[in-house]
Amino acid sequence: KNQVEQSPQSLIILEGKNCTLQCNYTVSPFSNLRWYKQDTGRGPVSLTIMTFSENTKSNGRYTATLDADTKQSSLHITASQLSDSASYICVVTYESGGYQKVTFGIGTKLQVIP
Amino acid sequence: DAGVTQSPTHLIKTRGQQVTLRCSPISGHKSVSWYQQVLGQGPQFIFQYYEKEERGRGNFPDRFSARQFPNYSSELNVNALLLGDSALYLCASSLGTGNQPQHFGDGTRLSIL
Repeated sequence: KNQVEQSPQSLIILEGKNCTLQCNYTVSPFSNLRWYKQDTGRGPVSLTIMTFSENTKSNGRYTATLDADTKQSSLHITASQLSDSASYICVVTYESGGYQKVTFGIGTKLQVIP
Repeated sequence: DAGVTQSPTHLIKTRGQQVTLRCSPISGHKSVSWYQQVLGQGPQFIFQYYEKEERGRGNFPDRFSARQFPNYSSELNVNALLLGDSALYLCASSLGTGNQPQHFGDGTRLSIL
């Protein structure tokens, strides 16, 4: 079982609408939880970074929330644009055995249509 | 300012060969991380280096190794290539190992025949 699970796997929304992507994780505690946007054929781009003690972080139209009790994070996209079409990946960084470990979710593929 | 640059962008190898991938971080960044992304999957963490020392390691076999140079650039080496090593290899740099943003390059697409 992956330590980071995302849902839905894919999503199609109309331009201008809002959407929320989910991330459930099992690693606790962790150093940080990040959301990335990855366009096809490109490297991921950082959207938000939250530490274990934070519960919300915004970056323009992107707002990430974190609930440490339920081990869930969500990424809310407001007023979607065609350029938001991409994969959105949830990533958890934690310490194990003196080493830093990083676990990625499989991503949610978002398509925004006119 | 230049972002993270990776070379080569594409590479074709055959089974059993060895490959070296290169990464130049953003100027001033001292940490470099390597990831493997198989088509349709999320990236998998391979290594993190900071100040030329290994600070993080994922669950990859010993065929995978890396190093970081005094100028903070990095190389990822993969020996005895297998078909399953075909993937996009991503490099990311950051100022340090804490809660700073990681900046990714666009990767090296490695195909094994």
